[in-house]
Amino acid sequence: DTGVSQNPRHKITKRGQNVTFRCDPISEHNRLYWYRQTLGQGPEFLTYFQNEAQLEKSRLLSDRFSAERPKGSFSTLEIQRTEQGDSAMYLCASTTNPNTGELFFGEGSRLTVL
Amino acid sequence: EDQVTQSPEALRLQEGESSSLNCSYTVSGLRGLFWYRQDPGKGPEFLFTLYSAGEEKEKERLKATLTKKESFLHITAPKPEDSATYLCAVQEVNQAGTALIFGKGTTLSVSS
Repeated sequence: DTGVSQNPRHKITKRGQNVTFRCDPISEHNRLYWYRQTLGQGPEFLTYFQNEAQLEKSRLLSDRFSAERPKGSFSTLEIQRTEQGDSAMYLCASTTNPNTGELFFGEGSRLTVL
Repeated sequence: EDQVTQSPEALRLQEGESSSLNCSYTVSGLRGLFWYRQDPGKGPEFLFTLYSAGEEKEKERLKATLTKKESFLHITAPKPEDSATYLCAVQEVNQAGTALIFGKGTTLSVSS
């Protein structure tokens, strides 16, 4: 399967701990996005990369959040000092042509902060 | 203030009972409007892109239309496998290639 892969699929952590999520996009997709989705809401944009360059970050992305795409392939999203409000599904998406609006989403990483 | 509003929040249909989902938007300049389908526990799956008023796109039992202020997703003779949450998203003129702004979605349940 050559779809977008996200790991881990589920993460339960205690408040104050750090967590890291990984996203492996579809091969040759140079644009990669991170979104966050809570229950009953649509996905909310967090940040995106063009190859290895992080080009835009949402105001939702506090200083506790950091994302990287070191070699323009996989990406990581780290949340430091997690809070209960960080509990959500973290979705990664990739595309070759962002102007079409056709994003290929992974199945997400669900974070529960106790 | 929400820029993308979807209605209804939830819709229950009998198999074969056609209906429409609504997506209204309030962005200053629309570059594109997109429909996605999301199954429980999965990421959204792309369905359609609409760029200008009057445009229509079809795929199996789904047809998406666009006016200057809203879009409709028409579902003709739905089947239980059409049950999912349908998300609408917009991209503003000055935001080409970047963030899509999603609505909260309409959860469709089709019973046999």
